[in-house]
Amino acid sequence: GEDVEQSLFLSVREGDSSVINCTYTDSSSTYLYWYKQEPGAGLQLLTYIFSNMDMKQDQRLTVLLNKKDKHLSLRIADTQTGDSAIYFCAEMTTDSWGKFQFGAGTQVVVTP
Amino acid sequence: DTAVSQTPKYLVTQMGNDKSIKCEQNLGHDTMYWYKQDSKKFLKIMFSYNNKELIINETVPNRFSPKSPDKAHLNLHINSLELGDSAVYFCASSKSPQGASGNTIYFGEGSWLTVV
Repeated sequence: GEDVEQSLFLSVREGDSSVINCTYTDSSSTYLYWYKQEPGAGLQLLTYIFSNMDMKQDQRLTVLLNKKDKHLSLRIADTQTGDSAIYFCAEMTTDSWGKFQFGAGTQVVVTP
Repeated sequence: DTAVSQTPKYLVTQMGNDKSIKCEQNLGHDTMYWYKQDSKKFLKIMFSYNNKELIINETVPNRFSPKSPDKAHLNLHINSLELGDSAVYFCASSKSPQGASGNTIYFGEGSWLTVV
């Protein structure tokens, strides 16, 4: 997990935007993922981006990729209390399919 | 309908016991995986099977033995359980074992194993 780094905690007010940041290390052809884990629940795939893309938008979620800085971010618009969870950034190269490098996760707490 | 389902969800057992966790996927995928999430939340791959054949076998004690009776099922058997085996075990599946557009990995709900 040490190749993918994330801040550990984010507090955000309901209705505001959340931005979760992640840095990764592999510069080869890479898929970058965001997974969500609610307490006592499994990993839910939110979205993913391939390393030849800069941005991907899916409803309230926007993923931005800065390949030069190897920086990935997930923006959640209009954050709701149901968005409270741990968000994992993960990378996986096409040469090592299945061998994710996960970050430690960012605990997002949404307050009313 | 759950795409990737694992049973049991919670398992508490004593050291030295042998236990199994079962996994089934109804997505028609060829490839299945077992991952271990440790107490620090890091997720590491243990095994992967493609069409019932073992393709990834990370450094895992021999006490862990996966079995794939068909491509929709991948079970994990653990012998002589130790305290350090306590973790969350995730099953997952994907269409194929290669990185390609449209291929991604879907996880099950996880099985919380506690060894006492």
